[in-house]
Amino acid sequence: LAKTTQPISMDSYEGQEVNITCSHNNIATNDYITWYQQFPSQGPRFIIQGYKTKVTNEVASLFIPADRKSSTLSLPRVSLSDTAVYYCLVGDPRNYGGSQGNLIFGKGTKLSVKP
Amino acid sequence: NAGVTQTPKFQVLKTGQSMTLQCAQDMNHEYMSWYRQDPGMGLRLIHYSVGAGITDQGEVPNGYNVSRSTTEDFPLRLLSAAPSQTSVYFCASRRGSFQETQYFGPGTRLLVL
Repeated sequence: LAKTTQPISMDSYEGQEVNITCSHNNIATNDYITWYQQFPSQGPRFIIQGYKTKVTNEVASLFIPADRKSSTLSLPRVSLSDTAVYYCLVGDPRNYGGSQGNLIFGKGTKLSVKP
Repeated sequence: NAGVTQTPKFQVLKTGQSMTLQCAQDMNHEYMSWYRQDPGMGLRLIHYSVGAGITDQGEVPNGYNVSRSTTEDFPLRLLSAAPSQTSVYFCASRRGSFQETQYFGPGTRLLVL
């Protein structure tokens, strides 16, 4: 099971672009990378998922280099409401259950956006 | 759709008491799971189910039981509560494999005295 490493915390200001990098050195060939966001007193919610290169949706972009040993979540022009904990997860969609089919959350990155 | 619902929102128990945390989803998802979240610890998987009648243990299963008699419901039972089980509990569901989006409930905050 690929382990992920993220910074514990990050600070930013409103309007800035925020990049949160996740390391997953032992990612397997069939693993996908997924990011979740969690606001205080709420359950996590899905942000974005990718396998390689770049994925973009209305909320964020995900950059994955060719070696896939890391990934970067990019949040454009953050606002105060983006203050949350962001989790990077790695898993194999072929595994329905078992240890690799579960979403294993690390401690995440606590992003604080200041005015 | 109501999504994933959890009851109660908050509960206080005395050591040794038992209780059941309820979780239900109306999205016809096969995969359901229970997590606990403690300060600074992220979320840890307790038990999960890949379909009705099938359950398995996660990272921290001790002290908890689960069953899955229907697709919709996945209750979590504490047979004899301990202070170490004070936590916030989240139930989640998804349609299928890891590639699918996982939806979380609003959480149950449990305090064991």
